[in-house]
Amino acid sequence: DAGVIQSPRHEVTEMGQEVTLRCKPISGHNSLFWYRQTMMRGLELLIYFNNNVPIDDSGMPEDRFSAKMPNASFSTLKIQPSEPRDSAVYFCASSFRAPSTDTQYFGPGTRLTVL
Amino acid sequence: QKEVEQNSGPLSVPEGAIASLNCTYSDRGSQSFFWYRQYSGKSPELIMSIYSNGDKEDGRFTAQLNKASQYVSLLIRDSQPSDSATYLCAYLEAGSYQLTFGKGTKLSVIP
Repeated sequence: DAGVIQSPRHEVTEMGQEVTLRCKPISGHNSLFWYRQTMMRGLELLIYFNNNVPIDDSGMPEDRFSAKMPNASFSTLKIQPSEPRDSAVYFCASSFRAPSTDTQYFGPGTRLTVL
Repeated sequence: QKEVEQNSGPLSVPEGAIASLNCTYSDRGSQSFFWYRQYSGKSPELIMSIYSNGDKEDGRFTAQLNKASQYVSLLIRDSQPSDSATYLCAYLEAGSYQLTFGKGTKLSVIP
């Protein structure tokens, strides 16, 4: 199994530009999570999908952030317009949700730098 | 508010010693507990999960859970320089999907 795949691995952009991060979860997993990690705040959950449906987006910081999951094998996280404070590592994780045994597997992350 | 507390470290131990990492959590509804290892510049990698009180051993790693004290720990025996990483504690509330992470303890194993 290839694991969770994310692209791009690194993104450098200028303030005001649109940024799109991509994720392919592990085949057969029915839950997908987008996290953001910074030194100050640690790992923060941004949004959670179950069976391609957004269940909880309360962690999305602002309307500038949006996420979609058009099918079971693909998700995007978009930031428009981007700001320097969005600089962080963004992780996608997937799991097969079963009672009491959810184990999340993380992708390699996208390191975003907004200048 | 749900919280996970970890000593940020760094925790330095000599090669071959036992490293002890500790974590306390605030949510009494927590059911499942996880230890993730994160090397610098890499993604978190699950190394242990524990669901019931007591000890769980996997190779050089032992997780210990005490739900009454809201405490979970990770012991690493015969520590190796390759164990140098940040260790993240996380828990999952019963019936929930959302992992709550601590900010991690940085471990340094000195050759």
